[in-house]
Amino acid sequence: QKEVEQNSGPLSVPEGAIASLNCTYSDRVSQSFFWYRQYSGKSPELIMSIYSNGDKEDGRFTAQLNKASQYVSLLIRDSQPSDSATYLCAVNLGGGYNKLIFGAGTRLAVHP
Amino acid sequence: DTAVSQTPKYLVTQMGNDKSIKCEQNLGHDTMYWYKQDSKKFLKIMFSYNNKELIINETVPNRFSPKSPDKAHLNLHINSLELGDSAVYFCASSRVTGAAQETQYFGPGTRLLVL
Repeated sequence: QKEVEQNSGPLSVPEGAIASLNCTYSDRVSQSFFWYRQYSGKSPELIMSIYSNGDKEDGRFTAQLNKASQYVSLLIRDSQPSDSATYLCAVNLGGGYNKLIFGAGTRLAVHP
Repeated sequence: DTAVSQTPKYLVTQMGNDKSIKCEQNLGHDTMYWYKQDSKKFLKIMFSYNNKELIINETVPNRFSPKSPDKAHLNLHINSLELGDSAVYFCASSRVTGAAQETQYFGPGTRLLVL
């Protein structure tokens, strides 16, 4: 069983719409959760991090965490063509070594 | 003002050769990592060093040997390269280890192609 699962997509949304990206994880001891954005041919860059149940908002981005359901999501409001990228969900299991487990990523395509 | 840098950016080589990739960070971080991203874009950790000490050593062929001369540098040496080693190798760093909320910052990647 994969430890971090994401729908590979592509998720296609029109410009201005809300894009909803989902991620589930298998290990209940997971402590912190990260969303990275990766443009084609580039390195991953951090978009959001979340550690507690509930919502966390930063500009057009909202991360949502539900530890009971082992589910974390990223909402992108007012999607722009520049948001087109692969979004990687990463989970830190804790345990002292800061080890991140990544999902395979969801490709988002925002069309004008 | 590059935070995490890697050299070379591209590496094309023949099977059986030995090659090295270098990584440097100027963020003052204590912990550095090597990740491999395969053709399906799956990013997987290989090694982590905290202040020159190896702390994460995933199931990786022993042809891969990391070395950290100081906490700002982490190198990866690969012996007897195989076709399956073709991938993008990312270096990353974070402030400390042991803190689950620490963000990891990635370098630009080294694209390795083994022919």
